[in-house]
Amino acid sequence: GAGVSQSPSNKVTEKGKDVELRCDPISGHTALYWYRQSLGQGLEFLIYFQGNSAPDKSGLPSDRFSAERTGGSVSTLTIQRTQQEDSAVYLCASSFIPDTEAFFGQGTRLTVV
Amino acid sequence: QKEVEQNSGPLSVPEGAIASLNCTYSDRGSQSFFWYRQYSGKSPELIMSIYSNGDKEDGRFTAQLNKASQYVSLLIRDSQPSDSATYLCAALQGAQKLVFGQGTRLTINP
Repeated sequence: GAGVSQSPSNKVTEKGKDVELRCDPISGHTALYWYRQSLGQGLEFLIYFQGNSAPDKSGLPSDRFSAERTGGSVSTLTIQRTQQEDSAVYLCASSFIPDTEAFFGQGTRLTVV
Repeated sequence: QKEVEQNSGPLSVPEGAIASLNCTYSDRGSQSFFWYRQYSGKSPELIMSIYSNGDKEDGRFTAQLNKASQYVSLLIRDSQPSDSATYLCAALQGAQKLVFGQGTRLTINP
């Protein structure tokens, strides 16, 4: 695709349910980043992929959060047993290689009720 | 100490003036730096990248980098109301972790 695509755009889920967020990076981009942005706050780094590998998982808030990337392309961020504090916009970005400009998708707004 | 620090603002500038946005970073090994603009309710949009000490100009935007002082800035000349947004500074740490500051809210007053 022309840009980074994230789905769904919006997700409302009940507390305790699992959710899966998807990111489809720009074709050919090897680096992929996930961030979380709470209302009025900055971007909180979650995880980074180079190809299918995640060298840095230090930002994942808890063991309820996991992420994977397959085929060096699509990535999914899974949140198990969602809590209200998980409500935020989840942003994905990709870059050709790590040292170059990263471009963001439109984000997934997650609301846990 | 935060990895990337910005004054949260709000910064208010009259239309037509120069807006100056500043950022400091803690990882002396960082080599790549980026400025993003984020409108309310939208995702960040890349404005500029800078990798070498000195100035880099692109239209009304100039990015400045001083690695010795661990300081990055963004100047916006001839500010327009459409420039009103939050500006995010980012630094690439360890050649793999892209870390963002909290952002500076900029308001251009007509």
